[in-house]
Amino acid sequence: DVKVTQSSRYLVKRTGEKVFLECVQDMDHENMFWYRQDPGLGLRLIYFSYDVKMKEKGDIPEGYSVSREKKERFSLILESASTNQTSMYLCASSLGDRPGTEAFFGQGTRLTVV
Amino acid sequence: AQSVAQPEDQVNVAEGNPLTVKCTYSVSGNPYLFWYVQYPNRGLQFLLKYITGDNLVKGSYGFEAEFNKSQTSFHLKKPSALVSDSALYFCAVRDMGFSGNTPLVFGKGTRLSVIA
Repeated sequence: DVKVTQSSRYLVKRTGEKVFLECVQDMDHENMFWYRQDPGLGLRLIYFSYDVKMKEKGDIPEGYSVSREKKERFSLILESASTNQTSMYLCASSLGDRPGTEAFFGQGTRLTVV
Repeated sequence: AQSVAQPEDQVNVAEGNPLTVKCTYSVSGNPYLFWYVQYPNRGLQFLLKYITGDNLVKGSYGFEAEFNKSQTSFHLKKPSALVSDSALYFCAVRDMGFSGNTPLVFGKGTRLSVIA
């Protein structure tokens, strides 16, 4: 089974802190994604990556950056956390350039910024 | 542009009754369509997908979905609902003309409550 693992289930951080959310997948997938989930807004794409060191902005990249130094790991960085970044963050991965394949999700990180 | 609409925020159904969760999509070409389920404080789990072929797709936990090209719909169904089916359901689409590297586009989700 594909496994996508996010480093934390719950995080509490202070306003202004630099926050790292880590995601690792074990199926050699080329594509990796970061979404945030908010009630009534569904899933919104923050960033994605289709190869090592490659990144593409999603719908809401402001206030975030990403890093993909190894194929299996995709990190989301909140440069200076703010209360409006309190949310559920979901990482996903999928096979490269296979449009009919599904994405596999991690268990999510619920981040609270105080 | 690709988009998905889930017109109902909430669906309530009695245990044992059939359930339907609605999804309509918009793509410029032909679609790949997906359903996911999310239990509280968990990630999304894949349920089923339509790629091509038979319009009725069967998936996990007894769920099925019917692709209707003329109505641009992909409704999720189950003949007999269980209380344990209560969860948040997401529909997603990818245009066949796009690269597989293109992210899925998700609907806003529908909360299903099955009442005993």
